[in-house]
Amino acid sequence: EVQLVESGGGLVQPGGSLRLSCAASGFTFSSYSMNWVRQAPGKGLEWVSYISSSSSTIYYADSVKGRFTISRDNAKNSLYLQMNSLRDEDTAVYYCAREQVSAMYDYWGQGTLVTVSS
Amino acid sequence: QSALTQPASVSGSPGQSITISCTGTSSDVGSYNLVSWYQQHPGKAPKLMIYEVSKRPSGVSNRFSGSKSGNTASLTISGLQAEDEADYYCCSYAGSSTPFGTGTKVTVL
Repeated sequence: EVQLVESGGGLVQPGGSLRLSCAASGFTFSSYSMNWVRQAPGKGLEWVSYISSSSSTIYYADSVKGRFTISRDNAKNSLYLQMNSLRDEDTAVYYCAREQVSAMYDYWGQGTLVTVSS
Repeated sequence: QSALTQPASVSGSPGQSITISCTGTSSDVGSYNLVSWYQQHPGKAPKLMIYEVSKRPSGVSNRFSGSKSGNTASLTISGLQAEDEADYYCCSYAGSSTPFGTGTKVTVL
């Protein structure tokens, strides 16, 4: 059974940093591209970042470019999102999602809540 | 990286059919047959309903169908059921990003 489990969310002050993790199981993690998608409270889904299976290709949404860094460790079946210079508008539930083919996210985690507030 | 445009809400009675539109541009929806649709119930993670414009993953009811014309993709739910009441989001490949739609709340009257 495919499982994606996010962790690392919490309360952080504006300007602070946080590192999210996504533990994958039930599939060959190293064969799939992965993404982070977020959802602000009461709002819609927003794609955040993409990383290819070998980490050779990485993309970011303009809203997080230069502040967030996506990475993965295929030996540990894990995906990460390092978030720096956090802003109030980064408050959201962050989901990791497996990408089967481009723009097809077939499995999602349960999400982890990041709250940026003073 | 602008969001795709969806109607805020669509409603229908049980048994009816409804269609949700998703309007993008020639840089995303219009250029690729890589549009997907997601259903999200309150407090839950999104669920893939349609991919590559019109393909259904295993386990998704055949009451859900997708299509595309030009820069606009559409999701049709036929034989509307109470359990279909949820938020729906489209998503399109756009080269170096995959923007989501603004979301549509489906209400079963």
